[in-house]
Amino acid sequence: DAGVTQSPTHLIKTRGQQVTLRCSPKSGHDTVSWYQQALGQGPQFIFQYYEEEERQRGNFPDRFSGHQFPNYSSELNVNALLLGDSALYLCASSPDLTKNYGYTFGSGTRLTVV
Amino acid sequence: AQRVTQPEKLLSVFKGAPVELKCNYSYSGSPELFWYVQYSRQRLQLLLRHISRESIKGFTADLNKGETSFHLKKPFAQEEDSAMYYCALRGRGGGATNKLIFGTGTLLAVQP
Repeated sequence: DAGVTQSPTHLIKTRGQQVTLRCSPKSGHDTVSWYQQALGQGPQFIFQYYEEEERQRGNFPDRFSGHQFPNYSSELNVNALLLGDSALYLCASSPDLTKNYGYTFGSGTRLTVV
Repeated sequence: AQRVTQPEKLLSVFKGAPVELKCNYSYSGSPELFWYVQYSRQRLQLLLRHISRESIKGFTADLNKGETSFHLKKPFAQEEDSAMYYCALRGRGGGATNKLIFGTGTLLAVQP
């Protein structure tokens, strides 16, 4: 089992551009959460997807959007990139939204906005 | 407000010395507390959770509801314990309460 896989591992974008990050959850997991980790900070919750719907959202602007596919994989989209969006973006999956199971984290995508 | 505070950015100890990584939280309700660890060049992984009351790699953590703390302890530090440690909480009950709220992390450096 490869666990949670994220792609790409690194990405450089220009201010104003749009970016899409991808996540495949661990086998058997149906819930995907996205976190942003700025340098020197702990991960901050962006949103969570379950049954192809956004179930919960953190304090992030509408420029951040997502999607979950029938195979449970997920995308994070960020529009109109700002320099402050530079961060490590983590995907975490868990087996069941309705229960408090643990999370498995991916290695992250390092986004640099120049 | 829901918050996790880790007051130390860096904790440096010698091998064999006791370790205590501090974590305080603020949460209106009954939270579940976790410690996550990130070793160099590795992904974030769960170290322990308070409801399991377990000891992992010699680490323990006790939830003190009166002091709203969940400090991580180990009696004798090893060099391989050097890593970034994050304290996190989430609400109990599943569903909309189960997002994780992380602290800013403490870098533990164990000197030989």
